[in-house]
Amino acid sequence: GEDVEQSLFLSVREGDSSVINCTYTDSSSTYLYWYKQEPGAGLQLLTYIFSNMDMKQDQRLTVLLNKKDKHLSLRIADTQTGDSAIYFCAEGDCKNNNDMRFGAGTRLTVKP
Amino acid sequence: GAVVSQHPSWVICKSGTSVKIECRSLDFQATTMFWYRQFPKQSLMLMATSNEGSKATYEQGVEKDKFLINHASLTLSTLTVTSAHPEDSSFYICSARDSAANTEAFFGQGTRLTVV
Repeated sequence: GEDVEQSLFLSVREGDSSVINCTYTDSSSTYLYWYKQEPGAGLQLLTYIFSNMDMKQDQRLTVLLNKKDKHLSLRIADTQTGDSAIYFCAEGDCKNNNDMRFGAGTRLTVKP
Repeated sequence: GAVVSQHPSWVICKSGTSVKIECRSLDFQATTMFWYRQFPKQSLMLMATSNEGSKATYEQGVEKDKFLINHASLTLSTLTVTSAHPEDSSFYICSARDSAANTEAFFGQGTRLTVV
């Protein structure tokens, strides 16, 4: 089947950069997404990248896409304690469609 | 007035994807639902009419295997554009009415489908 995989835990110190990695198997995916889930809250779309792009930067967030290796990463610069959350990688064929495949999520813990 | 909710309001999909559009009546029983498409600078074109629990009636020239319509409940109808291609890019609109109560039809907000 089609899988999206990511490591379950990441711990960093406040002020350092965080890099959350994701691999996927469906080479035909058009859109790749990063969602953030804070404790007790729903999923919040952080950013997405279209499959014909290699990189997308949005303030402290940098998304890198390696289509050849089917590898997606999310880099958070100057990580703050407020960034502590679970980060989900997802892939899909459409933008603004419910049909997406999600990873299990990476729990980011930011230590003071 | 009665409310018809259509979702999503816009969607961008790659060629070959099947795209499902939902149309819900929120405060009345939609015994009949209509699906339209609108090309740029043109008027609405009726694609099909569906009555709850029955197969949809398609207008001439509309492929029923391409545009699958399901109207399994009195509040929900779905239009699935199968194996979408760029020429399917259009604005799709649903409307619904309570035929039993002989009410007017109410329109959804429409869905802009772009196939890349």
